[in-house]
Amino acid sequence: KAGVTQTPRYLIKTRGQQVTLSCSPISGHRSVSWYQQTPGQGLQFLFEYFSETQRNKGNFPGRFSGRQFSNSRSEMNVSTLELGDSALYLCASSLAPGSGTGELFFGEGSRLTVL
Amino acid sequence: TQLLEQSPQFLSIQEGENLTVYCNSSSVFSSLQWYRQEPGEGPVLLVTVVTGGEVKKLKRLTFQFGDARKDSSLHITAAQPGDTGLYLCAGPNYNQGGKLIFGQGTELSVKP
Repeated sequence: KAGVTQTPRYLIKTRGQQVTLSCSPISGHRSVSWYQQTPGQGLQFLFEYFSETQRNKGNFPGRFSGRQFSNSRSEMNVSTLELGDSALYLCASSLAPGSGTGELFFGEGSRLTVL
Repeated sequence: TQLLEQSPQFLSIQEGENLTVYCNSSSVFSSLQWYRQEPGEGPVLLVTVVTGGEVKKLKRLTFQFGDARKDSSLHITAAQPGDTGLYLCAGPNYNQGGKLIFGQGTELSVKP
């Protein structure tokens, strides 16, 4: 079955702009989590969505937001971009929050560069 | 706050050598997972260990879950260049709805 699909794979923005990233989970998976990965901080949890509701949120400023649609697809948005937002943004899906032993299935990520 | 600490952070070895990566916490985890991430890709699940003392083997990779379920190790025998990548341990934080938290990762480079 198809894996997690993230678009776009690469993008370059300038400071002050905003960006929207998209994630389509594995068919049948209803939980979507977003992580930010940087060399210095590793994988940092952004938020988790299930049934169109945000279940968990990490310690990121309000410029980071997300949503989930009825078909489980999710988007995240970052407004007023800063240089420090340059990172690989990873989306991961699972059947449901806390299902089984919590394994996540990751997409290939969206590489954001802020100039 | 549950934290996972991995060591070493970086490892550069020659093909054919053995290595062990450690994942430690002061907290008990109901399970731990190991992922491998190659450059430009997302992490891919290698294994999940659930029972204290459990040992799982995946070809040349051996995973062990500590008896107290606070630590785990990954041992690679006769490493190959194809083993190069970032190895991440992760565990569910049930104080925060089961969200998966990750260690900082071990970056492994295996030179031919």
